[in-house]
Amino acid sequence: NAGVTQTPKFRILKIGQSMTLQCTQDMNHNYMYWYRQDPGMGLKLIYYSVGAGITDKGEVPNGYNVSRSTTEDFPLRLELAAPSQTSVYFCASRSERTGMNTEAFFGQGTRLTVV
Amino acid sequence: AQKITQTQPGMFVQEKEAVTLDCTYDTSDQSYGLFWYKQPSSGEMIFLIYQGSYDEQNATEGRYSLNFQKARKSANLVISASQLGDSAMYFCAMREVSKYKLSFGAGTTVTVRA
Repeated sequence: NAGVTQTPKFRILKIGQSMTLQCTQDMNHNYMYWYRQDPGMGLKLIYYSVGAGITDKGEVPNGYNVSRSTTEDFPLRLELAAPSQTSVYFCASRSERTGMNTEAFFGQGTRLTVV
Repeated sequence: AQKITQTQPGMFVQEKEAVTLDCTYDTSDQSYGLFWYKQPSSGEMIFLIYQGSYDEQNATEGRYSLNFQKARKSANLVISASQLGDSAMYFCAMREVSKYKLSFGAGTTVTVRA
């Protein structure tokens, strides 16, 4: 069972380049999230989505864009890469069950370096 | 405002001993959930344990238990009988019923010594 799959695992970008981080999940989860984790730090929410066609900003959305055209896919777009976007990016998904005890499932992460 | 506070950046523990990782949180919601995740050096995020705000019993999952003190807004993780494989970063997280996101603390690095 695949769970949450992120591609690529590693990427080096030059300043000003663009790229899309791919995230797909096969668990039919409505909620999907993008986090970034800077070295030695916790996870900060970039964007999230509660279902296809619905997205919203998290704590650190500047410099990023997302779309959610299907339940399965939640790509993260960097338009003009900057060194401050060097980080590890995690995609996560969660089921929309009643009750609070639905943990988020995480992808393996994408390590992005902007030089 | 910081929602989740983990005040211990790093801890050392002897193999087979217990270790307690502190977590305090801030919310005005009555309904919320608290989660602990483990992140080994390989980088993946592994869900460990969950505690609901209305749960009367402290959560336990194998060697992991959660010391939940609602009035103090603390949700400390206890790892019993530490193993070398427990060396990792541990994150406390919270989800409030009024919000969709999971908020994370800064994490605590645990190093288990043989």
